[in-house]
Order: sequence, then C-alpha cells, then structure tokens
Amino acid sequence: NAGVTQTPKFRVLKTGQSMTLLCAQDMNHEYMYWYRQDPGMGLRLIHYSVGEGTTAKGEVPDGYNVSRLKKQNFLLGLESAAPSQTSVYFCASSSTMFRAALPAFFGQGTRLTVV
Amino acid sequence: AQTVTQSQPEMSVQEAETVTLSCTYDTSESDYYLFWYKQPPSRQMILVIRQEAYKQQNATENRFSVNFQKAAKSFSLKISDSQLGDAAMYFCAYRSANDKIIFGKGTRLHILP
Repeated sequence: NAGVTQTPKFRVLKTGQSMTLLCAQDMNHEYMYWYRQDPGMGLRLIHYSVGEGTTAKGEVPDGYNVSRLKKQNFLLGLESAAPSQTSVYFCASSSTMFRAALPAFFGQGTRLTVV
Repeated sequence: AQTVTQSQPEMSVQEAETVTLSCTYDTSESDYYLFWYKQPPSRQMILVIRQEAYKQQNATENRFSVNFQKAAKSFSLKISDSQLGDAAMYFCAYRSANDKIIFGKGTRLHILP
C-alpha cells in the first residue's frame, strides 16, 4: 500500500511563480488535510476537505487554494509564491469510519523554497 | 477555537530512563480525540498513541503511555525505558468534532547515551 503520496518532494520557486502540490491517497479516506511546518511553529492547518468536492479553510489559508475534484486527490495551489511560503508541506488523510479515534496518515512532505 | 500547547520546546533524557512530555489543550467540546505523533529526522509523522476523550482509562502502547486528565485538559506522554530510537520531535494533536486536527508546536526529545 502506498498510503499518502505527495508530489513533488522538493521544489524551488522564484517569487511570483505558481505551482501545484499533489496529494494522493489510496485508503479511500474521506478527510484530507494540508499542513505547513515551520521551525518553532509546529504544524499549521492550511486547508482541509471532508469529502469529494468540499474544502474548508484552516488556520493559515491566505495565499493558498485547494481543490478536491476526486476523492483520492487533494491539490494545494500557490498562485503567486512568496518567500514567506518557504516551508515543508505535509498532506494527511483520515477516515470517517465510526468517527472513532482515527489518526491522520501523513505523506513524507514537500520541501518548498521560494527565492 | 481549539488550541494545543506544548510548553517544553526541548527535553533530554538518559537512555533507559523515563521521560514525560506535557501537552495541554483548550476546548469547549466534550467529544474529541487526542494523539501523540513522533517525527524522526526522516520527517515522516508516526502515530505513537491515541486517546478517546470519553474513555477514562489512560491509553498504553508498549513503552508509551499517557496521563489523560480531562478536567484539567492535560494529555501528557510518558516514555519508559527510553531508547536512542526515541529521539525525535513529538507532537500532541487534537481532533475536534468537525474533524479538524490541530497540532501543538512540538517537543524535541534528545536521548543521551
């Protein structure tokens, strides 16, 4: 099982460029999340989705857009990259089954540098 | 809004000793779930232990256990018989009723040989 796969793993962008980070999960999970991780800040929720076709804002949504056209994919877009968006980005997914104590399963992260 | 606070940015423990990492959270919800994740240098987030808020019994997974104090909104992680492989960042996380998962800022744990 692949679990949660993020593409790409590393990327360097120039200020003002755009890019899309792809997250794919093969566990049929309803919920998907995008986090950014910065030193001393922990993981902060950017956007999340509770099902295909739905998205919601997290703690730090500005400068990012997301789409969940297919259940297995959750895309994170940067329309005009800024140096403040230099970070490590994590995608995660989780199931709704029983709404029990289900953790999020994480991808391996994307290190993005904006110069 | 829910918040998760880890007040110890870094901790060190001697190999084979016991260490406790603290976590407090703020919520008005009664139905929620709590987790501890480990992030080694590989960056991969690994679930260590989980706790349902409605359960009074503290969760245990081998050398890892929690002290869950619901009234105090405290969720500490105890690692017994610390091993070199336990060195990592540890994150406390809260899953709310609307399924947002919120993380603390993390505690970096060093294991001293």
